[in-house]
Amino acid sequence: AQSVTQPDIHITVSEGASLELRCNYSYGATPYLFWYVQSPGQGLQLLLKYFSGDTLVQGIKGFEAEFKRSQSSFNLRKPSVHWSDAAEYFCAVGGATGANNLFFGTGTRLTVIP
Amino acid sequence: NAGVTQTPKFQVLKTGQSMTLQCAQDMNHEYMSWYRQDPGMGLRLIHYSVGAGITDQGEVPNGYNVSRSTTEDFPLRLLSAAPSQTSVYFCASRRTSGRPDTQYFGPGTRLTVL
Repeated sequence: AQSVTQPDIHITVSEGASLELRCNYSYGATPYLFWYVQSPGQGLQLLLKYFSGDTLVQGIKGFEAEFKRSQSSFNLRKPSVHWSDAAEYFCAVGGATGANNLFFGTGTRLTVIP
Repeated sequence: NAGVTQTPKFQVLKTGQSMTLQCAQDMNHEYMSWYRQDPGMGLRLIHYSVGAGITDQGEVPNGYNVSRSTTEDFPLRLLSAAPSQTSVYFCASRRTSGRPDTQYFGPGTRLTVL
């Protein structure tokens, strides 16, 4: 069965510091991986996605993520966090079978302090 | 191009009442879905549709009905509301069900059942 684990419920970083949000997945076939961001009171916006090819993918707002098949991980990174990055971040996994439904992790809330 | 729209934004119901959450997309997307978001649980799939006239159950379908009579609309019906259905509901769509491409989310409906 497919599942996504985001082990960090809440992370606090200082503005300008680097950020890494962890995501581990379980999927029986080739995974398609996504990171979404949700600002307070808003819907979800796609940050980046991995389907195949280069395991380091670039997204919007300066985010990147690295797919590591051996570790079943797809961690999100940003070299220097801005106050506007404060939000909740969701990792999701889907696959090339059936209706390709997405399964989401429980999310990581990011707080940015000045 | 409005994307994915949802109405209403907020709703308060009494236990046992019924209501329909509306979702529409103007992108001619084949795939549409409904999620509920609860604190600490991420997004869970309620129902989905891979095209007009075709719907199926997700992870948490009990207490909800859906239909897809047109490509554009995918309403979610609560038959007899219960306090456990207090949640934020998101509708999403993507171009095709053939691969897990980018999903676009609506702004959400915050539902409270008293």
